[in-house]
Amino acid sequence: GAVVSQHPSRVICKSGTSVKIECRSLDFQATTMFWYRQFPKQSLMLMATSNEGSKATYEQGVEKDKFLINHASLTLSTLTVTSAHPEDSSFYICSAKGSLGANVLTFGAGSRLTVL
Amino acid sequence: GENVEQHPSTLSVQEGDSAVIKCTYSDSASNYFPWYKQELGKGPQLIIDIRSNVGEKKDQRIAVTLNKTAKHFSLHITETQPEDSAVYFCAASITGNQFYFGTGTSLTVIP
Repeated sequence: GAVVSQHPSRVICKSGTSVKIECRSLDFQATTMFWYRQFPKQSLMLMATSNEGSKATYEQGVEKDKFLINHASLTLSTLTVTSAHPEDSSFYICSAKGSLGANVLTFGAGSRLTVL
Repeated sequence: GENVEQHPSTLSVQEGDSAVIKCTYSDSASNYFPWYKQELGKGPQLIIDIRSNVGEKKDQRIAVTLNKTAKHFSLHITETQPEDSAVYFCAASITGNQFYFGTGTSLTVIP
């Protein structure tokens, strides 16, 4: 079945630094990738939708200059949290949708970001 | 836009009993309804899904029902086991380009 790999699974960084999270579709071409943020015991909050080769579409209230999303290929999307602050600490999850089984969404395992 | 509500937020059942989680949606154009299971510290995993042209779908101990008229769909887990303990999310999608998630149900199966 479809597999999405997300890396790193955990990252701790100092305030003010930038952190990059990668999301890869391993066995299918992901035409669309989604990035979510999840707070403890809460639902998934969609941050942005990215389509390969085009700019990401950000949800209202999400700072595009802070959360940089790049979808350079059909198998890789990256989320960069720039100038991270403690309030950016969260669980970030990506998901990918391919052209086959068009509506089926496959999630990565998530990345736990802790900003000190 | 679409609004998905999910109930209950927490659910405890005895091992072997059944568990039912219900979701409602607002946009009649939604046509795809997946259910995800999320274990602690992991990403959600698709466990079953249903499309709007089907009223019920079953996969071993898991089943999903859809009532398009009432705009609600439910997840049914029979013969629950401790390993079923997790957070379950429902979702609704219109075109497959936008997914709207419920608020999650934390299921605890008591041995």
